[in-house]
Amino acid sequence: ETGVTQSPTHLIKTRGQQVTLRCSSQSGHNTVSWYQQALGQGPQFIFQYYREEENGRGNFPPRFSGLQFPNYSSELNVNALELDDSALYLCASSLLVETDTQYFGPGTRLTVL
Amino acid sequence: QKEVEQNSGPLSVPEGAIASLNCTYSDRVSQSFFWYRQYSGKSPELIMSIYSNGDKEDGRFTAQLNKASQYVSLLIRDSQPSDSATYLCAVNMARDDKIIFGKGTRLHILP
Repeated sequence: ETGVTQSPTHLIKTRGQQVTLRCSSQSGHNTVSWYQQALGQGPQFIFQYYREEENGRGNFPPRFSGLQFPNYSSELNVNALELDDSALYLCASSLLVETDTQYFGPGTRLTVL
Repeated sequence: QKEVEQNSGPLSVPEGAIASLNCTYSDRVSQSFFWYRQYSGKSPELIMSIYSNGDKEDGRFTAQLNKASQYVSLLIRDSQPSDSATYLCAVNMARDDKIIFGKGTRLHILP
């Protein structure tokens, strides 16, 4: 167990809907990164939040957005869902200043129909 | 060249043998390298990080880094059926300080 939690575990949505995924980081960690992992692929970096500010973004469209709260928990929001958004969404926390080692939560499996 | 490359496998290794997993990366000045294990349907689990050239051992696992060749590997000694999983190589790209993953290598330990 890494101490990183995510909710919900599974989610089914239809195309065009919006979804919010949640992550609670490991105690003491101030950085959260979100990844999308399609079946048979490695995790793809979506974005990172450090002390409530976006600290880098991967090649994902603006309909993928996020937030980090003062307690360092985080949300990933996806608008106008597309079929290709079906994937495992992973949250990873780290203590950025001291180390770039990341610890993953269990993930949220999103299915878009 | 892809940023982080791994052979997708599957790599089949007899129980008790040494499994060797390889990874190459494109960013010559990268400084941080990670190996994760991922069981089917689960999230990645950190096995080891390595930052300096040479070998780093942790139990049955040894990570090897060669920055000149832009190559990092993971050796698993005395392979067990429970080692059957996908192994992900991850590199912190110096250009933007973001961690990029390879597609992973599927390892199958044959009983």
